[in-house]
Amino acid sequence: DARVTQTPRDKVTEMGQEVTMRCQPILGHNTVFWYRQTMKQGLELLAYFRNRAPLDDSGMPKDRFSAEMPDATLATLKIQPSEPRDSAVYFCASGGTSGTYNEQFFGPGTRLTVL
Amino acid sequence: GENVEQHPSTLSVQEGDSAVIKCTYSDSASNYFPWYKQELGKRPQLIIDIRSNVGEKKDQRIAVTLNKTAKHFSLHITETQPEDSAVYFCAAAWGYQKVTFGIGTKLQVIP
Repeated sequence: DARVTQTPRDKVTEMGQEVTMRCQPILGHNTVFWYRQTMKQGLELLAYFRNRAPLDDSGMPKDRFSAEMPDATLATLKIQPSEPRDSAVYFCASGGTSGTYNEQFFGPGTRLTVL
Repeated sequence: GENVEQHPSTLSVQEGDSAVIKCTYSDSASNYFPWYKQELGKRPQLIIDIRSNVGEKKDQRIAVTLNKTAKHFSLHITETQPEDSAVYFCAAAWGYQKVTFGIGTKLQVIP
């Protein structure tokens, strides 16, 4: 049963520290999405990639957030410096474009707490 | 860009009753409408989806309807059970473009 994996599952850090979250998409999927979920805003799209190229990162605060796909098996989301308002659950999702529209499979999420 | 509105934000039903969640979208080009269920502390999971060339789709106790003219789509859950309690998200997308999610509906099924 192929699944998206994310690490770490939980992260507690202090304001100003760098945070790196990692995602391994399902093998063969060529689209990767990063979402942030909070009670107030719901699921917000931060960025997404197709074939490792960034297609849209308009939802991401550019001054502190960055997203990359070093290779087809790894996507990273980095926050530097982190702030308390970044506390949220960050989900990665992957999907394919082989005739299944945008069906997305979510990872378990990284719960980030910035003190 | 696409805007998806979802209501109600919370819904309580008695076990065995039906639940209906409604969404509207703004971009008439959207042609894919998935619904996700998220249990507490878990990841969102796709439960059903509908394409724009179909007006209704059923899968056991859940069904989705789509009215393209009015840009409305709805999720119907019949014979609700306690394990249906979760947050449900509707979403809309065009082709392989990004999916825009609604704010979510917290469904509580009371035994």
